[in-house]
Order: sequence, then C-alpha cells, then structure tokens
Amino acid sequence: TQLLEQSPQFLSIQEGENLTVYCNSSSVFSSLQWYRQEPGEGPVLLVTVVTGGEVKKLKRLTFQFGDARKDSSLHITAAQPGDTGLYLCAGDIVAGGNTPLVFGKGTRLSVIA
Amino acid sequence: DAGVIQSPRHEVTEMGQEVTLRCKPISGHDYLFWYRQTMMRGLELLIYFNNNVPIDDSGMPEDRFSAKMPNASFSTLKIQPSEPRDSAVYFCASILGSVLTEAFFGQGTRLTVV
Repeated sequence: TQLLEQSPQFLSIQEGENLTVYCNSSSVFSSLQWYRQEPGEGPVLLVTVVTGGEVKKLKRLTFQFGDARKDSSLHITAAQPGDTGLYLCAGDIVAGGNTPLVFGKGTRLSVIA
Repeated sequence: DAGVIQSPRHEVTEMGQEVTLRCKPISGHDYLFWYRQTMMRGLELLIYFNNNVPIDDSGMPEDRFSAKMPNASFSTLKIQPSEPRDSAVYFCASILGSVLTEAFFGQGTRLTVV
C-alpha cells in the first residue's frame, strides 16, 4: 500500500501551459516536502510545508499543503522545458511509528518546446 | 562539502554474487537513509540510521539485505546473494538534525543483476 499517492503519474505538456500535480494520503503528516529528480541524479528538495493550509511560492511554482495536512499540490505556471523531471512528494507521518521521508511514486513531467 | 558520495555509480553482477554499495554522507549529518528506486515501486525506504545506529530496517526486503554504519562517515548496503529482482537504483541520503530539514541525496548506484 502506497502511503502517498501522486497523480497524474505521467504528464506531457507544451511549453507555456499551466499544470497541477497532486499528492494525497489518508495519513496526517507533520510536514511534507516536494523534490525534483532529473535523470541520473538523486532527488533535490524544492520546498517543505509544515502548517495546514500553507502556501509557498518558488518563482513559477506554487505549493499548497491541505488544511488537514493529508494532501498537497504543486502548480506550475507557464511551464518551461527546464521543468522537465520527476516530481516527488515526501512526508513524515505524525503518529504511530513516525517513519520519516516516505515518498510517493512521483509525477513524471515532460515539457515540450 | 562534496555532498553525499555513493560508489560505484554502476554495478553489473551475476545472480548469486555478493554486492556491496557504499555511501559517504555529508560531514556532520546525523541521519542516513538507504532507498531503492524502481519504476514499479518508486522510491522505497530500506533502512535508516541516526548517529550510526540503525533505527528502522522494516523496509529491508529480505535477509539477503544488510546495512552497516561503522562510523559517521561511511555506510554500506550489502546484498548476498543477489537476484535479478534486486536490479534497481539504490540511493543514499543524509539529513542534519531532524526530518524537517532537507535530505541530500547521492547520485545513486544503478545495480543490474543478470
């Protein structure tokens, strides 16, 4: 059973389009992180969200943590080819074993010029 | 700091052979994680250490897998004997302080067992 479900699994869009990817769980998280991974490399942190309802912006990327701290979204405005990569969400569960950094399977984004 | 260093970058071995993957975390980081990544299962946590002590190894798939951290600057993940289904990219990551901070990943070891 995957603790963090990401959707869509694959996304191919044209340069300049907007997109949103989602990260959902039935578990409550103390915090949630978004990473981007490029081919042949390890994931690199984009952002950490901690407070329910929190919104963070990183240039054209907007991250939101759900009010109940069970879900998150990543919105990219005017996507660029450089945004291409695997986007992973990762969270640490609030209670019951507290396994840190459980990852979703990711959304593989391809932005076509 | 050079970041998290993993070796080798690529490993091709025959089924039944022993495989040892190595990781040097960032100096001063007190958490170290081993992950396995496949298309089917994504990034799976295998085991993690805090101050060189294994905290949770429930993700280790079988007794064929073992991990050690003899000191703060070195960890190994061993598979003995290896099987084709172990083929994957294995990542090591380190964190300073708490799980709320950034995890720094190595470039991974791509293991192919034939």
